[in-house]
Amino acid sequence: AQTVTQSQPEMSVQEAETVTLSCTYDTSESDYYLFWYKQPPSRQMILVIRQEAYKQQNATENRFSVNFQKAAKSFSLKISDSQLGDAAMYFCAFYNTNAGKSTFGDGTTLTVKP
Amino acid sequence: EADIYQTPRYLVIGTGKKITLECSQTMGHDKMYWYQQDPGMELHLIHYSYGVNSTEKGDLSSESTVSRIRTEHFPLTLESARPSHTSQYLCASSEYKSAGAGAEAFFGQGTRLTVV
Repeated sequence: AQTVTQSQPEMSVQEAETVTLSCTYDTSESDYYLFWYKQPPSRQMILVIRQEAYKQQNATENRFSVNFQKAAKSFSLKISDSQLGDAAMYFCAFYNTNAGKSTFGDGTTLTVKP
Repeated sequence: EADIYQTPRYLVIGTGKKITLECSQTMGHDKMYWYQQDPGMELHLIHYSYGVNSTEKGDLSSESTVSRIRTEHFPLTLESARPSHTSQYLCASSEYKSAGAGAEAFFGQGTRLTVV
């Protein structure tokens, strides 16, 4: 079974600054994907960024990037130039390709201060 | 915006009532999921399906049941609602296999259920 750990229940960042959200996971699988999802208050959960485990290059999506350390089983999310609209709960997720389902972390609530 | 819909958005119902939470997606995805999430808390997988006539129990034990008679539809039923069932229920779907897509999940807006 996989476990996903987000050690920061809450984080805050000043608008326009950079923040990093931590995620570690534990698995014996070799074929998997990692995701960061964003859940704004009372709104739909949406995908922020994905990382294929077989790719060494860190994924980036505009202001969002990851630091994927496969050996350390670490998958942190960096948000650059934070905006008020980034305020949300962020979930790290591990997708087990063999089992066909995801395991989510406990989430990190991000507050963006103007 | 993702083409996955949940109804109702909010439901307040009395103890002992039978309820069905609806979830539909128009993306042709084979896989569908139900998660239970208390406000501000983690998601717990309670049911999932690989396709028509496939249903599996998730990681968290649940008294609810699901069915998958059509690809696009994955309703969740509680035969006798109890206050302990009060929670938010999120439906999601993903492609079984899609090159480059990596099985990302598309989520509905959720149903917030309160059992009184």
